[in-house]
Amino acid sequence: GAGVSQSPRYKVAKRGQDVALRCDPISGHVSLFWYQQALGQGPEFLTYFQNEAQLDKSGLPSDRFFAERPEGSVSTLKIQRTQQEDSAVYLCASSPIAMSNQPQHFGDGTRLSIL
Amino acid sequence: SQQGEEDPQALSIQEGENATMNCSYKTSINNLQWYRQNSGRGLVHLILIRSNEREKHSGRLRVTLDTSKKSSSLLITASRAADTASYFCATMETGANNLFFGTGTRLTVIP
Repeated sequence: GAGVSQSPRYKVAKRGQDVALRCDPISGHVSLFWYQQALGQGPEFLTYFQNEAQLDKSGLPSDRFFAERPEGSVSTLKIQRTQQEDSAVYLCASSPIAMSNQPQHFGDGTRLSIL
Repeated sequence: SQQGEEDPQALSIQEGENATMNCSYKTSINNLQWYRQNSGRGLVHLILIRSNEREKHSGRLRVTLDTSKKSSSLLITASRAADTASYFCATMETGANNLFFGTGTRLTVIP
C-alpha cells in the first residue's frame, strides 16, 4: 500500500522567502508528526497532530514555523521569512491510532536549502 | 535537543560479522524503538521494545533494554552489505506521543 508521501522532495529558497512543505500520511492514520533533521543528526520533534487537532507544538523553533492539518489528513508545514539555519530535511511521520506503543511510518522527507 | 547518545558513532565490519550498537537515554520512557535510515531516505521502523520488556527478537535483530541503566542495544547478526545504513534509537517518554531520537550509528558492511 501507499506509504507517507512528502512533496516537494527538494526545495531551494532564498533567505526571507516563505516555503510550504506538504505531507500525505497513510490513509486513515490518526497521528501525524513533523520532525527536523539536520545533517548528520537524528530527527528532532517539531509538532504533533491527532486528526485535525494540533496537540503539541512545543518543538517548533520559532513563530516563523506554522503547521496545519485542517481536515485531519494532509498536513502542511509553513516556514515564513526563511533563514539559513532552517536548512535541513523535514520529515513527516504518521501512525494509525493515538496510542503511545505504536511505530511511526516516515516519508522520505523534504530537503530544504536556504541560500 | 537529542534525547540519547549512540555508541559507536560509526562502525565498519565485514559481511557475515555481527554488529552491535548501543543507546543511552535520560528520562523515564514508555518504549524504545530502533529505526534504520538509508542515505537520502526516510526512517524505517525496525523494532519496538516496551519499558517492561528486557529483550526482543525480529529476524536477525536482537534488542535489549535495561531501564535501570537507561540503555539499550541493537545486535544485527550475520550482517549483509544491504544492512549498510544509519541506525537510530528513539524513545517515547511516559505520557508523550512523539519520539526523541539519538544521534545515530553509521554502519558500513563491507562485502
